[in-house]
Amino acid sequence: AQSVTQLDSQVPVFEEAPVELRCNYSSSVSVYLFWYVQYPNQGLQLLLKYLSGSTLVKGINGFEAEFNKSQTSFHLRKPSVHISDTAEYFCAVSTSTSYGKLTFGQGTILTVHP
Amino acid sequence: EAGVVQSPRYKIIEKKQPVAFWCNPISGHNTLYWYRQNLGQGPELLIRYENEEAVDDSQLPKDRFSAERLKGVDSTLKIQPAELGDSAVYLCASSPGWEQYFGPGTRLTVT
Repeated sequence: AQSVTQLDSQVPVFEEAPVELRCNYSSSVSVYLFWYVQYPNQGLQLLLKYLSGSTLVKGINGFEAEFNKSQTSFHLRKPSVHISDTAEYFCAVSTSTSYGKLTFGQGTILTVHP
Repeated sequence: EAGVVQSPRYKIIEKKQPVAFWCNPISGHNTLYWYRQNLGQGPELLIRYENEEAVDDSQLPKDRFSAERLKGVDSTLKIQPAELGDSAVYLCASSPGWEQYFGPGTRLTVT
């Protein structure tokens, strides 16, 4: 079975600073990786996904993530954050043998301070 | 394109009462999911539908939870009777493939 660990439950950062949200996964088969963002009282919105191909994937709102198979990681990065990026971020994994089943991490609350 | 629609957005009930949640997926999405999200945690899958067939309901507590997806479009998730531990956000998602699109959720409070 697959699992996801988000290493930081909360990440405070100042506006215009870079940020990295860390995600590690565990799986014995090929993985498909996703980052979602959840604003207060809203559903989850897909930021980006890795299905195959280039290990560096770019998403919406200036976010990007890199799939590192040897370190089983899929960290999310943004070079310069805005106040509006304040939200909770979830890393999720699916596998080649569990099509349609997303396993989510516990979430990381990103707080951007002025 | 309209997103996933869920209703109600909020529901407060007393324990042992029944409750139902409704979901209308994005048009053309054959796959529909129900998730439960407890406070401070990521969503957990309850059930997945391919058209009108429930293909993965292994995480659905079948003693009190039931779901249906008539005609392969709208879906209803029911809890009867509700327990205090059922307080959570219930999310519906639909998908045309690998990507899942989520609705705003129904926040259930059981008192």
